Amino acid sequence: DAKTTQPNSMESNEEEPVHLPCNHSTISGTDYIHWYRQLPSQGPEYVIHGLTSNVNNRMASLAIAEDRKSSTLILHRATLRDAAVYYCILRDGSNRDDKIIFGKGTRLHILP
Amino acid sequence: GAGVSQSPRYKVTKRGQDVALRCDPISGHVSLYWYRQALGQGPEFLTYFNYEAQQDKSGLPNDRFSAERPEGSISTLTIQRTEQRDSAMYRCASSPFSGFPGNTIYFGEGSWLTVV
Repeated sequence: DAKTTQPNSMESNEEEPVHLPCNHSTISGTDYIHWYRQLPSQGPEYVIHGLTSNVNNRMASLAIAEDRKSSTLILHRATLRDAAVYYCILRDGSNRDDKIIFGKGTRLHILP
Repeated sequence: GAGVSQSPRYKVTKRGQDVALRCDPISGHVSLYWYRQALGQGPEFLTYFNYEAQQDKSGLPNDRFSAERPEGSISTLTIQRTEQRDSAMYRCASSPFSGFPGNTIYFGEGSWLTVV
């Protein structure tokens, strides 16, 4: 399975932008990059996904490096409710093998 | 239903007993996934189904663990002869279809298993 690497934890001040990095140097051409987050005592929830181009939605933005070996999840204005564990996941778009593997993710702390 | 429903939400069982955890996916969702999550860790893949077919069970820890989805909807994860190390949160998720990697997967609230 393709692997992702994320920092164990990060801190950010409330109302400031947050950039969460993810390295995926062994990504294949058909892998989609997904981000999920897990709030305390809840199941993971979808944040955003992309293939090659940068993506924006109401929750966040996803910036994908030109070589696709890394990506960054951007929260434009962090709130206390954004404190969660953020997971960067690769999903195989080629052979329909959808064994979705979560790593340890990045625990994001928001400082008031 | 509106979301993925799991039952029981909490289960305490004695070592050696069998337990069955149920997952009712979002109506119409083809794919169903089971994960196990220990405190402070990410979800650990166990198995997944498309319709009633078990596509991958490589994450099941040993032969005490099994899962089924006989009619392509509700799924049951069964743990036989439970051991204390089986204590964890067990999460179910569903997705419209696993064949498209852009699909979102939706998680239930989980079943918290404690083996004493």
